[in-house]
Amino acid sequence: TQLLEQSPQFLSIQEGENLTVYCNSSSVFSSLQWYRQEPGEGPVLLVTVVTGGEVKKLKRLTFQFGDARKDSSLHITAAQPGDTGLYLCASINQAGTALIFGKGTTLSVSS
Amino acid sequence: DAGVIQSPRHEVTEMGQEVTLRCKPISGHDYLFWYRQTMMRGLELLIYFNNNVPIDDSGMPEDRFSAKMPNASFSTLKIQPSEPRDSAVYFCASSLSPGSQPQHFGDGTRLSIL
Repeated sequence: TQLLEQSPQFLSIQEGENLTVYCNSSSVFSSLQWYRQEPGEGPVLLVTVVTGGEVKKLKRLTFQFGDARKDSSLHITAAQPGDTGLYLCASINQAGTALIFGKGTTLSVSS
Repeated sequence: DAGVIQSPRHEVTEMGQEVTLRCKPISGHDYLFWYRQTMMRGLELLIYFNNNVPIDDSGMPEDRFSAKMPNASFSTLKIQPSEPRDSAVYFCASSLSPGSQPQHFGDGTRLSIL
């Protein structure tokens, strides 16, 4: 069974700081999705990475897919309170039928 | 466009009662997923449907849980009888495919079993 390990589990920082969160697996990902979930809402897709070594940017968020497609990172530059939320990574299962989610990183950005 | 709609948003009931959660997927999405989210276990897939047919229910924890999708625009997740350990946030999601297409989540039902 493919498992997605996310770290750190919790992160509390001040506005303006930079941060990186990680998603790792012992298996190779066919693709990887990053979601953000705000309190009281469902997860919302931020980005999908497919190719090993791929880097995607979404404003102050930079997503990187490892060369071996077994890990991914999300870097946030100059964090803002609006970035607060639960960041989840997800990958398609080996049968190609459903998504498996990591437990997420809970980020709190205070002003 | 309307997103995935779940009801109720909150449910508080006593142990042993029947609980029914409802979901309306995005029109045109062929796949519908039910998830449960807890602090301990994160987001777990319970069951998913393709074109109204249940494909994989291996995540359903016990026979007390059942799910139906009588048509393309409606699905239910039922717990009977409910137990305190069923307390969690239950999400419904829909997508055009399970892989590269994003899953669109509803805002969830927060279930508390006393």
